[in-house]
Amino acid sequence: GAGVSQSPSNKVTEKGKDVELRCDPISGHTALYWYRQSLGQGLEFLIYFQGNSAPDKSGLPSDRFSAERTGGSVSTLTIQRTQQEDSAVYLCASSFGSANTEAFFGQGTRLTVV
Amino acid sequence: DQQVKQNSPSLSVQEGRISILNCDYTNSMFDYFLWYKKYPAEGPTFLISISSIKDKNEDGRFTVFLNKSAKHLSLHIVPSQPGDSAVYFCAASARGGGNKLTFGTGTQLKVEL
Repeated sequence: GAGVSQSPSNKVTEKGKDVELRCDPISGHTALYWYRQSLGQGLEFLIYFQGNSAPDKSGLPSDRFSAERTGGSVSTLTIQRTQQEDSAVYLCASSFGSANTEAFFGQGTRLTVV
Repeated sequence: DQQVKQNSPSLSVQEGRISILNCDYTNSMFDYFLWYKKYPAEGPTFLISISSIKDKNEDGRFTVFLNKSAKHLSLHIVPSQPGDSAVYFCAASARGGGNKLTFGTGTQLKVEL
């Protein structure tokens, strides 16, 4: 596809269960971001992948959160033992990773923990 | 530590008037600045950007101004239209920081008829 694709678009899960969110970046983009937006809040940085460099995980809120990027393309964000405060829209973005370039966002995954 | 700040969570403007959205940053290494627009239930979309070598960039109704000494940028929309009602995010990146984008918390713009 031409844009960043995220799946699922909506996910409802029970507290304590694990969830996996998927992001397919734009082909050729070396940089990939995960952000989340809680209700009424701004964009919270989670993790940043750039090429083969070690990812910047400084935004992950707890060790229940992890992400990987296989083959420099598709990324999966995993949340273990979900809590109600994890409910948010999780947004993925990708870019060419070079200076002075914009990132393109997917539609997001709305996660609801009940 | 919020490196990019948007101190106004909301702004209301009449149709046809100018909308001015403000953004401040603290990291002097930032050298590229962007504005994104977000409608409900959609991902943010890129609107306009400016490099630190410039102090103004214009694209149609949208102009971004950069004041490096004040570490301040603003987005001007003129004339404002109802379709401009959205959340606007300011973002910044630094070459030395791997070009990672850092976002502000957003400003909700409402353009009223």
